[in-house]
Parts: sequence; C-alpha cells; structure tokens
Amino acid sequence: SQTIHQWPATLVQPVGSPLSLECTVEGTSNPNLYWYRQAAGRGLQLLFYSVGIGQISSEVPQNLSASRPQDRQFILSSKKLLLSDSGFYLCAWSGDNSYEQYFGPGTRLTVT
Amino acid sequence: QKEVEQNSGPLSVPEGAIASLNCTYSDRGSQSFFWYRQYSGKSPELIMFIYSNGDKEDGRFTAQLNKASQYVSLLIRDSQPSDSATYLCAVNANYGGSQGNLIFGKGTKLSVKP
Repeated sequence: SQTIHQWPATLVQPVGSPLSLECTVEGTSNPNLYWYRQAAGRGLQLLFYSVGIGQISSEVPQNLSASRPQDRQFILSSKKLLLSDSGFYLCAWSGDNSYEQYFGPGTRLTVT
Repeated sequence: QKEVEQNSGPLSVPEGAIASLNCTYSDRGSQSFFWYRQYSGKSPELIMFIYSNGDKEDGRFTAQLNKASQYVSLLIRDSQPSDSATYLCAVNANYGGSQGNLIFGKGTKLSVKP
C-alpha cells in the first residue's frame, strides 16, 4: 500500500530564516505530487504541483519554491521566511491517471 | 476564477440523525468530485469520490451529484460524535494543463451532539 511521509511535523522559525520541508511517497511510482498551504480560517491553497522529476508548476507567485530531485521526493523551500508564510503545509500525491489525491500528515509552520 | 462553495457552518446534528453537507461549483466542465474529512489539527482524509450523476453509497456515507445544477452533496446517516470534523468538497480543475488539480471549498464544520 502507498504511504506518504512529511517532516518535520512542527517547525518554529524566525522571520528571514530559510525553510526546507520534505515529502516522500512509498509504494507507488511516477506519482503526481502537490504542495498545499492551509492558513488559519482559510481553505487549501495549491502552491506547487509536479508530474515528474524536475517538473514543477507554480500556482501562486510567492517567496517559496519547490523541487523534485527524485521520483517520490518533493521538497518545499524558502530562502527567507515571512510572517505570512505561517500555516499548515500539506503534501499530497495522486496516481498517474487519477484525480484522487491523498494527503500526508502535514507540517505546522509558525514564523515568529 | 473557478470556485467551490460550501456553507462554513457549524452544522449541528444530534447523534443518530442524518447530516447533509452541500457544495456547489462554478466550472460546468468539471468531471470528478471528492469529499474529504479533516479532524482538527489533522490532514484531510479522502472519504468519497463520485464521477457520475446520481448517488454513490459507501457504508453510512452517500455522495450525490447533479451536474446540471452543479451541485454535489454528502449525506451521513446515523451520525456519530466521531463524525464531528470539517468536511471539504473538492472538484477537479478543468482548464489548461491543470486537469489533475483539485479546487477545494473552505469546508463545512460538522458537530454531532451525543
């Protein structure tokens, strides 16, 4: 069966510091991968999606970036965090020919 | 701007009752519809998906889709306190190269009272 991991689970970072969040998927190959952010009281915002290694599409212009160095690894990064980057970051995967998305446990980021 | 609309709630129902959650969407070309359950502080969990007009039943859950009215609903029969959560409706994006992407509503908070 497929499993999706995210780490760290929680993170407190000062404004201006860098960020690296990691997501890995097990039990499937060539998944579509997604990064979402869920801010307090707001809906899920799609940040990036990837259909393959090195292929990244951005949905929202911001100070975040994403990379997919391996088939089942997706990384979310920032060089300098802003207060507005606080939120619940969720990674999700879907099969190559499926719209069903499955979420990882998430990373709760607080920027202070 | 493609949109998915849900009543934010809270929707409060007594234990054992039927909870009815509703969702409307703006893109008439959308083909795939999903319901996620999100407990407080946790990530969303896929509980139902429906692709064809009509009803789809899975245990205590029934998803209903009416593409002509651009309306999808989730019925929870015999509601339990453990069903208390926020329910997110999602619809596939139907534009450009993003057809695999989902557009989420902001969710309806359900509270089931013992």
